[in-house]
Amino acid sequence: EDQVTQSPEALRLQEGESSSLNCSYTVSGLRGLFWYRQDPGKGPEFLFTLYSAGEEKEKERLKATLTKKESFLHITAPKPEDSATYLCAVQAGVIQGAQKLVFGQGTRLTINP
Amino acid sequence: KAGVTQTPRYLIKTRGQQVTLSCSPISGHRSVSWYQQTPGQGLQFLFEYFSETQRNKGNFPGRFSGRQFSNSRSEMNVSTLELGDSALYLCASSLALAEGDTQYFGPGTRLTVL
Repeated sequence: EDQVTQSPEALRLQEGESSSLNCSYTVSGLRGLFWYRQDPGKGPEFLFTLYSAGEEKEKERLKATLTKKESFLHITAPKPEDSATYLCAVQAGVIQGAQKLVFGQGTRLTINP
Repeated sequence: KAGVTQTPRYLIKTRGQQVTLSCSPISGHRSVSWYQQTPGQGLQFLFEYFSETQRNKGNFPGRFSGRQFSNSRSEMNVSTLELGDSALYLCASSLALAEGDTQYFGPGTRLTVL
């Protein structure tokens, strides 16, 4: 069964203090790994898609990387507006074209000013 | 381009009732997936529709059903509501032209069952 585990569950940082969030996965036939940001009471907002080990993508203060077993979301010099829950999800499976995502439990990130 | 829209945004129902939620995907997107989000279980996949056909289904009871119309809009229905059905129901759409296509989420419908 496909599984995604995120750590830590919660993380508090000071503004400007860089850190990384971890997403470990166990799937058969990875088709894509996705990072989303979710603010309270809202739907997940897409950040990145990674497809193969070694791939990296960046957007403002965020950088996502992928290995064969895990992905990291690096946050450089975060600001209070980066506070949110960050969700990792994988798409895998045997049904060709199916869009099912399996999500981790998320990391709740708080950036203090 | 308009994003995924969901209606209604909030619903309050009582046990035993049924409810229908609606989702309009991004223009041109043919795949619509539904997810349930609760504090205890996180985001869980309900089902996916593509070209009016259910292509994949999660581990939820038969009380949860859905359909997709020819314009790609989708509805999900929950019959005989239980207290545990209280959750944020999220709809996501994608082009589904290739595997690994990005899914874009709507704002969700918050369902409260009393």
